[in-house]
Amino acid sequence: AQTVTQSQPEMSVQEAETVTLSCTYDTSESDYYLFWYKQPPSRQMILVIRQEAYKQQNATENRFSVNFQKAAKSFSLKISDSQLGDAAMYFCAYRISYGVNSGYALNFGKGTSLLVTP
Amino acid sequence: DTGVSQNPRHKITKRGQNVTFRCDPISEHNRLYWYRQTLGQGPEFLTYFQNEAQLEKSRLLSDRFSAERPKGSFSTLEIQRTEQGDSAMYLCASTGGTWANVLTFGAGSRLTVL
Repeated sequence: AQTVTQSQPEMSVQEAETVTLSCTYDTSESDYYLFWYKQPPSRQMILVIRQEAYKQQNATENRFSVNFQKAAKSFSLKISDSQLGDAAMYFCAYRISYGVNSGYALNFGKGTSLLVTP
Repeated sequence: DTGVSQNPRHKITKRGQNVTFRCDPISEHNRLYWYRQTLGQGPEFLTYFQNEAQLEKSRLLSDRFSAERPKGSFSTLEIQRTEQGDSAMYLCASTGGTWANVLTFGAGSRLTVL
């Protein structure tokens, strides 16, 4: 089974500063997708960023970027210019890119709670 | 389209009662997923539908749980003879079409079993 590990239960960052959330995963697959989802308090999960494993270039979405190290099976999320609205639980997730019955279900880590202070 | 809709948002029940949750996915999405999320944990996969066919079930889905997706539209998740350990947030997600790689989640249905 593909496991996802987020070793930081909580992180704190000051407004306008940069923070990096860590994620490692375990897989024997060569082709897969990785995601970061954000879950604000009492609100639904939304996609932050995704990365296809076959792409060497790190994905970027505005203030959010990833550092994807395939050999090390590491997928960290960097949030630049942090804003108060970034405060949420952040989940790293893994999905194999194909499979007859897998349905592309995601395996999630336990999450990192991000606190943003003024 | 207003996204993935889940009802009820919160259900409080007594141990031993049956409960049913409903999920209305995004209309053009053919794939639908149920996840369970307990406090302090990430979502755990329960089951997956492609159209009306239930193609995969997690070992977490005991025989007290049943899910359906008649006509490949909305889905229901029923829990029979609820136990306190069933208390959790039940999340529904859907995907399909151009963004088949990305799950869109609903706000969840929180179950509290007393």
